[in-house]
Amino acid sequence: NAGVTQTPKFQVLKTGQSMTLQCAQDMNHEYMSWYRQDPGMGLRLIHYSVGAGITDQGEVPNGYNVSRSTTEDFPLRLLSAAPSQTSVYFCASSYSGGRNNEQFFGPGTRLTVL
Amino acid sequence: KQEVTQIPAALSVPEGENLVLNCSFTDSAIYNLQWFRQDPGKGLTSLLLIQSSQREQTSGRLNASLDKSSGRSTLYIAASQPGDSATYLCAVRQGDTGFQKLVFGTGTRLLVSP
Repeated sequence: NAGVTQTPKFQVLKTGQSMTLQCAQDMNHEYMSWYRQDPGMGLRLIHYSVGAGITDQGEVPNGYNVSRSTTEDFPLRLLSAAPSQTSVYFCASSYSGGRNNEQFFGPGTRLTVL
Repeated sequence: KQEVTQIPAALSVPEGENLVLNCSFTDSAIYNLQWFRQDPGKGLTSLLLIQSSQREQTSGRLNASLDKSSGRSTLYIAASQPGDSATYLCAVRQGDTGFQKLVFGTGTRLLVSP
């Protein structure tokens, strides 16, 4: 299994540009989520999905959109990039329900918005 | 609102020492607690997952304990090695139904010197 994969690894955008961060998992996990990691603030939840066709907002959703058309893929879209969105973005997945559902993380995408 | 704190923020030890990393959380209504390792510029690697009903979990030289009532967890690393140098993150999983988000601490940066 490749686990959780993310592309690209690095990206530089100009303010106002849009882009999509890709995330895929091959573990047949129902739950997928996006976090951002900023210095001194830990990881914060952006959006999550409990299954294909079902998404919801997390702690810091503004400026981001998501969709889940398949179980495997969960892309994150930046609509109009802002310098405040400079961060490291992590995608995660897990089985649904239960108390033993371990989260698996991708390698991250480092985004810089100029 | 759940808050997760990790102390110390940074720790430097000589090779061979046993050490303890601390994690505290304010809301004891958690489903589980997960310890991660993050190497510089890399993603998160899951180390140990402790269910809310468990007191501890062990994997090799790592032992994690959980005292839910007092809102504390510790990660014990025996006979530390330079390869253990990384940032260690703890995260608690909580939520009422369906998706249970992870709330992260800001991490302890560990340096093990040869």
